Amino acid sequence: GAVVSQHPSWVICKSGTSVKIECRSLDFQATTMFWYRQFPKQSLMLMATSNEGSKATYEQGVEKDKFLINHASLTLSTLTVTSAHPEDSSFYICSARDIRYSGEKLFFGSGTQLSVL
Amino acid sequence: GENVEQHPSTLSVQEGDSAVIKCTYSDSASNYFPWYKQELGKRPQLIIDIRSNVGEKKDQRIAVTLNKTAKHFSLHITETQPEDSAVYFCAASESGGYNKLIFGAGTRLAVHP
Repeated sequence: GAVVSQHPSWVICKSGTSVKIECRSLDFQATTMFWYRQFPKQSLMLMATSNEGSKATYEQGVEKDKFLINHASLTLSTLTVTSAHPEDSSFYICSARDIRYSGEKLFFGSGTQLSVL
Repeated sequence: GENVEQHPSTLSVQEGDSAVIKCTYSDSASNYFPWYKQELGKRPQLIIDIRSNVGEKKDQRIAVTLNKTAKHFSLHITETQPEDSAVYFCAASESGGYNKLIFGAGTRLAVHP
């Protein structure tokens, strides 16, 4: 299957700082990537759809000014958590579709565990 | 939008037994239904998927069935092994636009030796 790389795998930051998470498709091009958030023992909640060369599409209830998404190239999408607070602590995971698999199969990055102190 | 419900939330079986996880979806236009396995602290791994034009698909010990009329699909794991222990998520591809995947709440499967 396709390989999606996510970095960093974990980050600890102070309240009020910003954190950037990178998601890369290593062996394929991804015009669309998806960002999910997962709380402990809970499901994957879709936050936003990242589109190469255009603005991201956010799900209802997700603050676009807090979770900045940039999809500058066909292989890279970034999620920046701005002015992070303890309630933003969560597991963030990106995913991408590889059109070689009929554009349906979604492959996930390894996730980023964010802890805000 | 699409809504996916998954049951049970936890499932405990003895090694060698079968396990069945069920999901229902709300959007009759959804046409792609994958299942993911997630081990603790790791990324979800696609284990099997099915499209709406197929009623059943099997891959070794894993099978998925789909009932479009009832809008439900199920994961069947036969001859379970301890390494099958994980959280399993079903998902449905929301119709239109970017075909976003909407996930069920997950099922924590424990296979006891």
